[in-house]
Amino acid sequence: AQSVTQLGSHVSVSEGALVLLRCNYSSSVPPYLFWYVQYPNQGLQLLLKYTTGATLVKGINGFEAEFKKSETSFHLTKPSAHMSDAAEYFCAVTYTGGFKTIFGAGTRLFVKA
Amino acid sequence: ETGVTQTPRHLVMGMTNKKSLKCEQHLGHNAMYWYKQSAKKPLELMFVYSLEERVENNSVPSRFSPECPNSSHLFLHLHTLQPEDSALYLCASSRSSGTDYEQYFGPGTRLTVT
Repeated sequence: AQSVTQLGSHVSVSEGALVLLRCNYSSSVPPYLFWYVQYPNQGLQLLLKYTTGATLVKGINGFEAEFKKSETSFHLTKPSAHMSDAAEYFCAVTYTGGFKTIFGAGTRLFVKA
Repeated sequence: ETGVTQTPRHLVMGMTNKKSLKCEQHLGHNAMYWYKQSAKKPLELMFVYSLEERVENNSVPSRFSPECPNSSHLFLHLHTLQPEDSALYLCASSRSSGTDYEQYFGPGTRLTVT
């Protein structure tokens, strides 16, 4: 079965430090990949997506992610964490011809002052 | 209003009640979704509608009944729920399903079953 794995349900970084949230997917077919963010009491909001073309994609709020086919990974990074980045982050994958998006379990990011 | 709206934002209901959740999208999208988000569990897809036709039903109990009267509106009818159905119910829409189009989410309805 197709799946998305996010390593680490909780990640804690200091303000100004590098943010790295890991995502791996299982599939042999080309995926469409997404990162969403959820702030408290809100729905999910798209951060960035990979469809085709350049494997390094840039999103909102200074986040970026790199699609690595050989590693079936789509890790999310940000060079310098800000207090406002504290939220839950979800990696998701969709496949052509399917009707559903598969979400990872989420990673809650804590940012320490 | 813009984006995806959901009403009510909070709902408390007894196990014998009947209630409905409403979702409306103002984005001109063709696909709409219901998700259940419980604490410590991944987001669970419940239903997908594409062009007002249900295309996915993930073995959801019959006490949840979706309705999509047009491409802008989606309802989730609830009856004889169980306490374990307490969760955040999220609605989403996209230009099409199963493609590279991202989903736009509403703020959710926080449901508590007593």
